[in-house]
Order: sequence, then C-alpha cells, then structure tokens
Amino acid sequence: GENVEQHPSTLSVQEGDSAVIKCTYSDSASNYFPWYKQELGKGPQLIIDIRSNVGEKKDQRIAVTLNKTAKHFSLHITETQPEDSAVYFCAAQAQAGTALIFGKGTTLSVSS
Amino acid sequence: GAGVSQTPSNKVTEKGKYVELRCDPISGHTALYWYRQSLGQGPEFLIYFQGTGAADDSGLPNDRFFAVRPEGSVSTLKIQRTERGDSAVYLCASSLMGSQETQYFGPGTRLLVL
Repeated sequence: GENVEQHPSTLSVQEGDSAVIKCTYSDSASNYFPWYKQELGKGPQLIIDIRSNVGEKKDQRIAVTLNKTAKHFSLHITETQPEDSAVYFCAAQAQAGTALIFGKGTTLSVSS
Repeated sequence: GAGVSQTPSNKVTEKGKYVELRCDPISGHTALYWYRQSLGQGPEFLIYFQGTGAADDSGLPNDRFFAVRPEGSVSTLKIQRTERGDSAVYLCASSLMGSQETQYFGPGTRLLVL
C-alpha cells in the first residue's frame, strides 16, 4: 500500500523567512496530494492541495510543487508569520482509493 | 455554514467499557470518513461511508470497532471492550460527494482509556 514520508519532523524559522516541507510517496497511482495545518487541540485544516495533472499551485504565501517522476511533493511558505506555527501534514490519495495516507507531520515554529 | 462537529470533545473511560463517538458532517456531504490519530502521528484511516453504506472499512483495526450511519448523515463510531491502546484522537471528516474530493475534518474526540 501507499507510504508517505515527510521531512523534516521539526522546523524553526525566523519571522519573514521561508519554510519548505518535503514529502515522498510510494504508490505511483496516487493522484491527489493535500496539505493540512493542525493547531493544538484542533482538527486538521486544508491549506492547499494539488492533483497529478498540475506541477505547481500557489495561493498567496503558500505554494505546492509536485514531481510525479520522482514521486515527491513540497510545501513552500514564504514570509512566515508567528501564526503559521503549527503541525503540517502532507497526504496522498490513490485514484481508486478512498483513504488519505498521511505523513507523520512537521512541527513548524516561527519566532518573531 | 457549520463545519464538521464531533461529540463528545473528550471522553475518559475504563478498560473494558463500551464507548460511542458521534460525528455530524457538513450539511449535504454524502461522504464521511473516520480516522484515528495517535500522539505525534498523522491521522490513520478507519472507515469510509458513501451515504448509509460503509464503502471501505479496511482501516478498522479489529472487530471491537464498528461504525454506522443509518440515515446518511450523522455517524457513530462504536468501540467495544476498550483497551488502553485505543487511546487516541478520533477524527471525522466529510466531503461533498465522493472520495476524490476535499475532506474537511472535525475537531476530533480525545479518547482516554484508563
């Protein structure tokens, strides 16, 4: 089955810097890749997603890139702010599947 | 409109007891999912409903776990003979129609089995 690996597990940046989180997946049939932000005591919140027919997607300070050949995708946050501090999860879903397979998460800390 | 809601927000029970966790999906969403999240881990899939039927229950760990969605809206996850290892956050998500659409998560129920 699908396996998603996420790096780094923790990331500390200064306010205004950029942050990059990387994920790799194993199942070449996966075609949907969402990113979720989870704050303490809350459920995961979708921040951006990308499908396999697109190589890059951007929404204001957040962007996601996908390399299908290498089976990896990345989250890029520019001009980080303290409120970006949270745990970020990548996930993958196969075309014929239903479950989102999640990575283990990255704890992002943005210090002012 | 309202998001996915889950009750209770916290549940403490004793080993061997029976618990029920409730999920109210976003109005109009036909697809509903249950996930379990252990401390420091990503959510792990348990079961997926399309309407009233369980379309995929491959993630349920054993037969102590069961879920229903009798009217195609609210769902209840039922755990029999709870074990300490069942302690986790149980997350519910819903999507508009099918499994290929965005899944919106609720706040979760934090279950602690003593």
